[in-house]
Amino acid sequence: EPEVTQTPSHQVTQMGQEVILRCVPISNHLYFYWYRQILGQKVEFLVSFYNNEISEKSEIFDDQFSVERPDGSNFTLKIRSTKLEDSAMYFCASRSGAGGNTIYFGEGSWLTVV
Amino acid sequence: QKEVEQNSGPLSVPEGAIASLNCTYSDRGSQSFFWYRQYSGKSPELIMFIYSNGDKEDGRFTAQLNKASQYVSLLIRDSQPSDSATYLCAALRDNYGQNFVFGPGTRLSVLP
Repeated sequence: EPEVTQTPSHQVTQMGQEVILRCVPISNHLYFYWYRQILGQKVEFLVSFYNNEISEKSEIFDDQFSVERPDGSNFTLKIRSTKLEDSAMYFCASRSGAGGNTIYFGEGSWLTVV
Repeated sequence: QKEVEQNSGPLSVPEGAIASLNCTYSDRGSQSFFWYRQYSGKSPELIMFIYSNGDKEDGRFTAQLNKASQYVSLLIRDSQPSDSATYLCAALRDNYGQNFVFGPGTRLSVLP
């Protein structure tokens, strides 16, 4: 069964460093998402991406965040200068869009900023 | 602001009982509703979705939607200890909407 894959599964980084989280969405899906979940808290929307551009972003997704689809398969989230409060699980998700509204999540990338 | 609300729980039920999970949403433009299950430290996994008013059954799970009351529920029959998890309700505005809005989740504990 097709699945969303994410790397790395866990990353520890020092405050102020840049981090890139990678995702391979399900093939033929058209909509891509990043969500964040701080430990013990709700799943929070960060950004959605469609047709090679950001279609919607939350107030969390400030200038330190960026997304990119550098090729036909990868979808990346970059955090330019990490802060302690960026420590969270980051989920990538994708949705077909062709009559399919369900989003499918990757296993997540756990980011720890120290 | 679009909000999806759930009781945080924990909701404790004995094994074999029916667990009832509730969700309300504020955006009347929401069309589709989803229930996800999330085990601790894992990603959300889809249980089922519902678009139309009424009930939708899938195995031990029944989703109920009442758009007039802006209310969605999930019933789990014959609850098992393996059902112990956090259940997330999510709303999608319309078929072309980009953003799923998640509720905070309800923690369910099924006691053996």
